[in-house]
Amino acid sequence: GNSVTQMEGPVTLSEEAFLTINCTYTATGYPSLFWYVQYPGEGLQLLLKATKADDKGSNKGFEATYRKETTSFHLEKGSVQVSDSAVYFCALTLTGGGNKLTFGTGTQLKVEL
Amino acid sequence: NAGVTQTPKFRVLKTGQSMTLLCAQDMNHEYMYWYRQDPGMGLRLIHYSVGEGTTAKGEVPDGYNVSRLKKQNFLLGLESAAPSQTSVYFCASSDGGTQYFGPGTRLLVL
Repeated sequence: GNSVTQMEGPVTLSEEAFLTINCTYTATGYPSLFWYVQYPGEGLQLLLKATKADDKGSNKGFEATYRKETTSFHLEKGSVQVSDSAVYFCALTLTGGGNKLTFGTGTQLKVEL
Repeated sequence: NAGVTQTPKFRVLKTGQSMTLLCAQDMNHEYMYWYRQDPGMGLRLIHYSVGEGTTAKGEVPDGYNVSRLKKQNFLLGLESAAPSQTSVYFCASSDGGTQYFGPGTRLLVL
């Protein structure tokens, strides 16, 4: 079956530090890949996505590149801010069958001054 | 546009009681989904719908029923609540691409 594995958190960083959250996947076929962010007390928001190999998704300074050879979609940001503190979810979907999302368990990020 | 809304925001139930969670979307999306979020387990799909009048089981459907009588609404029912159903429930909708999520319903079953 399909699955997504994320690094466990929490990840605690100082403001302006470099962020990497690892995500690897297993899928039958060629999935689309997503990063969603959940701020405290809120629902999930799409952060970025990539639909085919070597695509790079980017938004709000975050980036992730779809690496088919390593089945990975690691999230990076060059300089984090306190406002980036949230839970980050990696997810995949395959076309058809209801376009269901398979989520990783989430990684909590805490950014301190 | 309101996007995806969920009612209620919070509810406390006693074991054995029933309730219905309402999800509404104003984006004319065909697809709608119900997930539950539990600590350390991410989001797991309960049921989903690919169009008005259709429903299908997800990963963890037991103890839940759904209905999609109108395109804009997707209802999640608990016929006899159990403590194991204490969770945060999220609804989402999509046009086949990105899923858009509601703010969640926090349910506590005592």
